Amino acid sequence: AQSVAQPEDQVNVAEGNPLTVKCTYSVSGNPYLFWYVQYPNRGLQFLLKYITGDNLVKGSYGFEAEFNKSQTSFHLKKPSALVSDSALYFCAVREDQTGANNLFFGTGTRLTVIP
Amino acid sequence: DVKVTQSSRYLVKRTGEKVFLECVQDMDHENMFWYRQDPGLGLRLIYFSYDVKMKEKGDIPEGYSVSREKKERFSLILESASTNQTSMYLCASRLQRGLYGYTFGSGTRLTVV
Repeated sequence: AQSVAQPEDQVNVAEGNPLTVKCTYSVSGNPYLFWYVQYPNRGLQFLLKYITGDNLVKGSYGFEAEFNKSQTSFHLKKPSALVSDSALYFCAVREDQTGANNLFFGTGTRLTVIP
Repeated sequence: DVKVTQSSRYLVKRTGEKVFLECVQDMDHENMFWYRQDPGLGLRLIYFSYDVKMKEKGDIPEGYSVSREKKERFSLILESASTNQTSMYLCASRLQRGLYGYTFGSGTRLTVV
């Protein structure tokens, strides 16, 4: 069975500082990993995904994520946080097996960037 | 720009009412999904559909049903609304082929009183 853990409900970071939002996963086969962002009263927006290849994935709005197979992690990062990055972030995973077609989401991490 | 449109942003219904939440996508996606989002619980899958007239139960289907008569439209039905169904409901769609993520609608915040 697949699962995703986002160990931090809330992350606070000062504007201009680097940010990290953590995600670990558990799947039987190879993982496909995704990050989404949700702004207030909106749906989820796609940020980036890891399917295969380079472990460092770059996405929208200057975000990137590093796939670490040995630690089963896919942490979201940004070198310099903006106040506008304040939002709810979801990590999601899918297995690469036929029939296991759906994404499984973590519980979300609320990022607050302090001016 | 591709879109998933949910017909209502905010909805208030009474206990026992039959409630319809509508979702329409203009991307010719085969797969469509309904999630509910609650604080601390993340997104939980209610129902999904791989194609027209196909439906599969997700993790929390009790109290809900769905309809997919046309490819672009996926409706979530609350047969008899209850207060514990007060939540944010998110619709999403995806191409069947390829390793794509989901495209989400803006959500419907349903309050059952």
